[in-house]
Amino acid sequence: DGGITQSPKYLFRKEGQNVTLSCEQNLNHDAMYWYRQDPGQGLRLIYYSQIVNDFQKGDIAEGYSVSREKKESFPLTVTSAQKNPTAFYLCASSIRTGNYGYTFGSGTRLTVV
Amino acid sequence: QKEVEQNSGPLSVPEGAIASLNCTYSDRGSQSFFWYRQYSGKSPELIMSIYSNGDKEDGRFTAQLNKASQYVSLLIRDSQPSDSATYLCAGGGPNAGNMLTFGGGTRLMVKP
Repeated sequence: DGGITQSPKYLFRKEGQNVTLSCEQNLNHDAMYWYRQDPGQGLRLIYYSQIVNDFQKGDIAEGYSVSREKKESFPLTVTSAQKNPTAFYLCASSIRTGNYGYTFGSGTRLTVV
Repeated sequence: QKEVEQNSGPLSVPEGAIASLNCTYSDRGSQSFFWYRQYSGKSPELIMSIYSNGDKEDGRFTAQLNKASQYVSLLIRDSQPSDSATYLCAGGGPNAGNMLTFGGGTRLMVKP
């Protein structure tokens, strides 16, 4: 079955620690996206990538970093510079040409301890 | 700034009634519109897409698009308690590289 896999489902981060959230898709989609969602709030775009080896900052990129070395993978690192990282993180993917909407992964819930 | 606006709700309807969810958008270049359903603690799930003016029906769901008024709506007939969720409206078009802009979502509560 094609889809997007995010791991882990739950992640706990200590103060000052970097953590990496995994996102893998086997849909052959060109574009991938990372969103942050806080309780009761909408989606906020962190980073996106429309082709391999290229990515762009979204609205709230500070304190985050990404890489896109393979078409299937778009990992997100939450760095120690992100002072309030507790949130629900969603990865999505889409084709580049035409518009058929995004497919979302199941999400990673990150908590600072 | 391209925007998609939704009333945050909650919108409360009795079981069996029609729920009407509305969305407006600012970018006249938007050509594709989507409705996602998000249950609490889960990821968004695509339930409807619409590309042309008019109505599109799929089971109990009807999406409506009016490009002149820059307005999109989702009607849910015979609402069930299991429809209780947050509904996200999204729009996109070639001007934005087919990237979607999401509204903040409307929380729907269907009461038995």
